[in-house]
Amino acid sequence: GENVEQHPSTLSVQEGDSAVIKCTYSDSASNYFPWYKQELGKGPQLIIDIRSNVGEKKDQRIAVTLNKTAKHFSLHITETQPEDSAVYFCAAYTGANSKLTFGKGITLSVRP
Amino acid sequence: EAGVTQFPSHSVIEKGQTVTLRCDPISGHDNLYWYRRVMGKEIKFLLHFVKESKQDESGMPNNRFLAERTGGTYSTLKVQPAELEDSGVYFCASSQQALVSEQYFGPGTRLTVT
Repeated sequence: GENVEQHPSTLSVQEGDSAVIKCTYSDSASNYFPWYKQELGKGPQLIIDIRSNVGEKKDQRIAVTLNKTAKHFSLHITETQPEDSAVYFCAAYTGANSKLTFGKGITLSVRP
Repeated sequence: EAGVTQFPSHSVIEKGQTVTLRCDPISGHDNLYWYRRVMGKEIKFLLHFVKESKQDESGMPNNRFLAERTGGTYSTLKVQPAELEDSGVYFCASSQQALVSEQYFGPGTRLTVT
């Protein structure tokens, strides 16, 4: 089955700096890669996603890139703000009759 | 529109006891999913309901776990008897269509088995 690796487990950045979170996946059949943000006391919330026919997608300060050859995808957050502090999960999905496979999550801390 | 709600938010029980977790999906969402995150690990799929039917229960760890969704509305997940390794956060998600991009997660129930 699919295996998603997410490293490191924690990341600390200064407010205003950029943060990059990387994930790798194992199943070349995976075609959908969502990113979730989990704030304290809340459930994971989908913040951006990318499909395998696209290499990059942006939404304001966040962007996701996908390298199918290397089987890795990354979340980029620019101009980080304290409210970006949260746990971020990457996931992979191979399509109908499959299920989301998540990474272990990374705790991002943005220092004011 | 109310989101996915879960009850309780936190449960502490002793090994061997029984616990029932409840999930109320967003109204009108036929698809309901249960996930679990053991501390520091990935979020893992447990099962998927379409209305009251179990579409996929391949992620259920063992027969100590029983999920129900009578009437196709709210769902319960019972753990009986609970073991130490069952500790973790149990998330519920719902969606109108069976599309992962449309899953809305609840806040989770943190289960601690001592």
